[in-house]
Amino acid sequence: AQKITQTQPGMFVQEKEAVTLDCTYDTSDQSYGLFWYKQPSSGEMIFLIYQGSYDEQNATEGRYSLNFQKARKSANLVISASQLGDSAMYFCAMRGSGYSTLTFGKGTMLLVSP
Amino acid sequence: SAVISQKPSRDICQRGTSLTIQCQVDSQVTMMFWYRQQPGQSLTLIATANQGSEATYESGFVIDKFPISRPNLTFSTLTVSNMSPEDSSIYLCSVHVRGTQYFGPGTRLLVL
Repeated sequence: AQKITQTQPGMFVQEKEAVTLDCTYDTSDQSYGLFWYKQPSSGEMIFLIYQGSYDEQNATEGRYSLNFQKARKSANLVISASQLGDSAMYFCAMRGSGYSTLTFGKGTMLLVSP
Repeated sequence: SAVISQKPSRDICQRGTSLTIQCQVDSQVTMMFWYRQQPGQSLTLIATANQGSEATYESGFVIDKFPISRPNLTFSTLTVSNMSPEDSSIYLCSVHVRGTQYFGPGTRLLVL
């Protein structure tokens, strides 16, 4: 079984500051993928970043980076230079080997203040 | 990437009625997935839809309540049958393209 844990129900950050959203996972699979999604109040799920378990480099996509620590089974999302438009719910998700479906964490609500 | 559209984007329905949600993808995909997100909750997989075969349902979801069609490689429908207020949720379709999972914009359903 796979499990994703997001321990921060809510996070507050000021504009232009960096913020880290925590995600830990549990799996017995050797090969797996980790995803982060942003869900604004409109409800759509926006793909942000992906990290494969065998990727040696941490994934980066613009202002988003994934701090992947395999031994600790953590995959934290780092948002640099927060913007007001970053205010949303953020979900960490995992896909195990041989699976095409995702297991989601409970999410973290991020609020960016001016 | 994949561009996914869903119809309707939102609806308000009376209990006991049914609603069919459509999902269209801009490329051919083998599997399409339907998720439900109840208010304040995370996403839960309802079923996986393969073209030309019956959908595979997750524990707690049954075909009579959530019938799915998959007539071709770019289209799928999910019907929410005999609705009750507990079915009020966002319903999202999703596809897997080159290692990444993409989601449609969602259908926000309110059942009165």
